[in-house]
Amino acid sequence: GDKVKQSPSALSLQEGTNSALRCNFSIAATTVQWFLQNPRGSLINLFYLVPGTKENGRLKSAFDSKESYSTLHIRDAQLEDSGTYFCAAGAGTGSNRLTFGKGTKFSLIP
Amino acid sequence: NAGVIQTPRHKVTGKGQEATLWCEPISGHSAVFWYRQTIVQGLEFLTYFRNQAPIDDSGMPKERFSAQMPNQSHSTLKIQSTQPQDSAVYLCASSGTGGSQNTLYFGAGTRLSVL
Repeated sequence: GDKVKQSPSALSLQEGTNSALRCNFSIAATTVQWFLQNPRGSLINLFYLVPGTKENGRLKSAFDSKESYSTLHIRDAQLEDSGTYFCAAGAGTGSNRLTFGKGTKFSLIP
Repeated sequence: NAGVIQTPRHKVTGKGQEATLWCEPISGHSAVFWYRQTIVQGLEFLTYFRNQAPIDDSGMPKERFSAQMPNQSHSTLKIQSTQPQDSAVYLCASSGTGGSQNTLYFGAGTRLSVL
């Protein structure tokens, strides 16, 4: 099965609403990175996480290594938030290699 | 800082031809990664270098694929005798090393189409 499972696979919301994306890991993740792939295809790094939480503007992310999951919360969603969100797990000390989830396709309804 | 630069953006090859993809990492970054993205498989790790040395190539198909990093300013991914199943977006990324410097920065990718 997938080592990094993302849910939901797709999400359509109205502007201004809040949402939560989740990743569950079946590998011993020690770090997590979240990316947004915009409609042009560029992968933009949103967060680098060790266990704990980080916040940046309307985005907030948490990583719990003991329970093997990470979340990404989007507050007051805007059109520029549209795209596909990927989480990726780094496993083991010193390992830079990331294992990616299949992504959550995020669409905003004006 | 121009970010990670990949060339060409698009490449079309005939079955059996060779394709060479180029990547220029962010200046000062010591780690360079290659990933491949397809609709079916998603983002798959291929290989990575640290300080120009190959560290992990466990994701590379054993035949026809090779990667090199001859100097700190560029890396190449070469695919010999391309096959239609090699069609994908090939993404290069770079990072520093240690803690949050492991943050990965991706290039725009090279879309390879094998006819």
